[in-house]
Formats: sequence, structure tokens, C-alpha cells
Amino acid sequence: GAGVSQSPSNKVTEKGKDVELRCDPISGHTALYWYRQRLGQGLEFLIYFQGNSAPDKSGLPSDRFSAERTGGSVSTLTIQRTQQEDSAVYLCASSPGPANYEQYFGPGTRLTVT
Amino acid sequence: KNEVEQSPQNLTAQEGEFITINCSYSVGISALHWLQQHPGGGIVSLFMLSSGKKKHGRLIATINIQEKHSSLHITASHPRDSAVYICAVLTSGSRLTFGEGTQLTVNP
Repeated sequence: GAGVSQSPSNKVTEKGKDVELRCDPISGHTALYWYRQRLGQGLEFLIYFQGNSAPDKSGLPSDRFSAERTGGSVSTLTIQRTQQEDSAVYLCASSPGPANYEQYFGPGTRLTVT
Repeated sequence: KNEVEQSPQNLTAQEGEFITINCSYSVGISALHWLQQHPGGGIVSLFMLSSGKKKHGRLIATINIQEKHSSLHITASHPRDSAVYICAVLTSGSRLTFGEGTQLTVNP
């Protein structure tokens, strides 16, 4: 079956512009995660959605970052007024249930802020 | 000090060797994940465990909750095993905290 998909695969934007990154989780998966991986660094947790519960936003690095998940499925991560330090690969993952489940990762979106 | 420490950071092995990657953590956890990141960047979940040992093919993962330590073993290593192996722990709620990863290179 289809895995987690993300779009776009690559995005180059100018400093100060807003960007939207999209994640389509595996159908039926109730949990969705966003992570960030800067070049040469480890993964960082950004945000977690589980069903209709309030999302865990504790990993968002600033108020320029926001995410929503519509209808319990597709999620959009929005970065406003992008900065060069936002350049990274943004990874989405989904899982069949709450936190204690295996996560399935998408291919990521490589964001470059010039 | 990071909450999740992996060792070694880099590991080079010859094909066929037995490989061990270690992960130590300093916080209370409900589960631990081992992930594999291929050179192209794709990430695959290998194991999720909260106690004992799991085996899948040539891969074995163990965890000792009392000692806050997990190991990932690869038996009969192969060049296609070359990747970054990442340990991640599930702490409070839903948040995964990641180690820095171990870069494994298996030479033919």
C-alpha cells in the first residue's frame, strides 16, 4: 500500500517568505509527527497530532512555525518569514496509534532558504 | 550532555563481521526505537522495544531498562547495511528524543 508521502520534495525560498510543507500519512493512521533534520545534525521533534486531541507543539522552535491537520488526515507545516537557519529536511511520520507504536517515515522535504 | 548518547559515532567493518551499536539514555522512557537512515535520506523503523529483545532477520535489538541501555546487533554484516543507525527514546507523552546517529560503513 501507499506509504507516507510529502510534498514538495525540494523547496528553495528566499529569506522572509512563507512556505507550506505537506504530509499525507498512511490511510487510517491516527498519529502524525513532524521532525526536522538540519545538515549534519540529528533529528528534532517538532509537533505531534493524535486523533482529535490537542497537538503536542512542544518542539516548535518559534512562533513562526505552525502546523495543522485537517480531517485527521493530511497535515501542513507552515513556516512564516523564513530564516536561513530554517534550512533543513522536514520529515513527517505517521503511526497506527498513540506514541507507543512504530512510526512510518515519509521521504522528507528539503527546504533551502537563500 | 545529551539525553541520548550513541556509540560509536562512526564504525567501519568488513563484510561478514558482527556489529554492535550502543545507545545509553539518561531519562525515564516508555519505549525505545532503532531507526535506519539510508544515504539518500530515507528513514526506516527497525525496532520499537520497551523490554527484552527483538530479532528481525540479521538484526537483533536488546534493551536493559534498569541500566538505561540498548544495543543493536547486526550479524553477518553486508555492504547494503551501510547507513546511519539512530536510537530514539519516547519520554513524556509523545515526544521522541534522538541520538546523533552511528554512521556504519561495511566494506566488501
